[in-house]
Amino acid sequence: QSALTQSASVSGSPGQSITISCTGTSSDVGSYNLVSWYQQHPGKAPKLMIYEGSKRPSGVSNRFSGSKSGNTASLTISGLQAEDEADYFCCSYAGSSTFAVFGTGTKVTVL
Amino acid sequence: EVQLLESGGGLVQRGGSLRLSCAGSGFTFSSYAMSWVRQAPGTGLEWVSAISGSGGRAYYADSVKGRFTISRDNSRNTLYLQMNSLRAEDTAVYYCAKEPTVTTGSGAFDIWGQGTMVTVSS
Repeated sequence: QSALTQSASVSGSPGQSITISCTGTSSDVGSYNLVSWYQQHPGKAPKLMIYEGSKRPSGVSNRFSGSKSGNTASLTISGLQAEDEADYFCCSYAGSSTFAVFGTGTKVTVL
Repeated sequence: EVQLLESGGGLVQRGGSLRLSCAGSGFTFSSYAMSWVRQAPGTGLEWVSAISGSGGRAYYADSVKGRFTISRDNSRNTLYLQMNSLRAEDTAVYYCAKEPTVTTGSGAFDIWGQGTMVTVSS
């Protein structure tokens, strides 16, 4: 049950677009279209931003989008805003024995 | 309003036990798989355990298998995590979390509790 791999940090200026990657294996990300993404501000519980690869829950801005290619999933934030500065974690379903595995996390900084 | 409220955290000695509870409200509790996710201080998220809506299927991370037991009482809309043989590395904030859709479990979590801190002293 190794954690999914995310880059440690990504930064961008207000209005720019950034992409966070999440690399797994053929046993998790590559086998299921069940990657979810979470935003976490300091001291707060995580917030679901994307589920089932590309679906946005009600109330989540359409500036957030998800995609997948092979064993790598991606979260794109367009029109970067100050409030997007937070930690972001991916998570993938990994089958009935492992169930779920989180990514290592990416700190997004808005310059 | 859909809500989850955890309780039961605290300070426990290494080798000790603790039971966490998570009360759900604002949704049909028995229809959704539920999970426990933890976060050690200053680190990332770690999925710990999940249980189907009926309670008939349970899943565990290797790090807690054989020591933790997940259960639920749908008549009380409450999820539990019984933690035995606690280790220092179990120190973390423990969140309960709800699946976004009515499935047997998809590894996604749309509603989270506020978290309860578990500290294992050595």
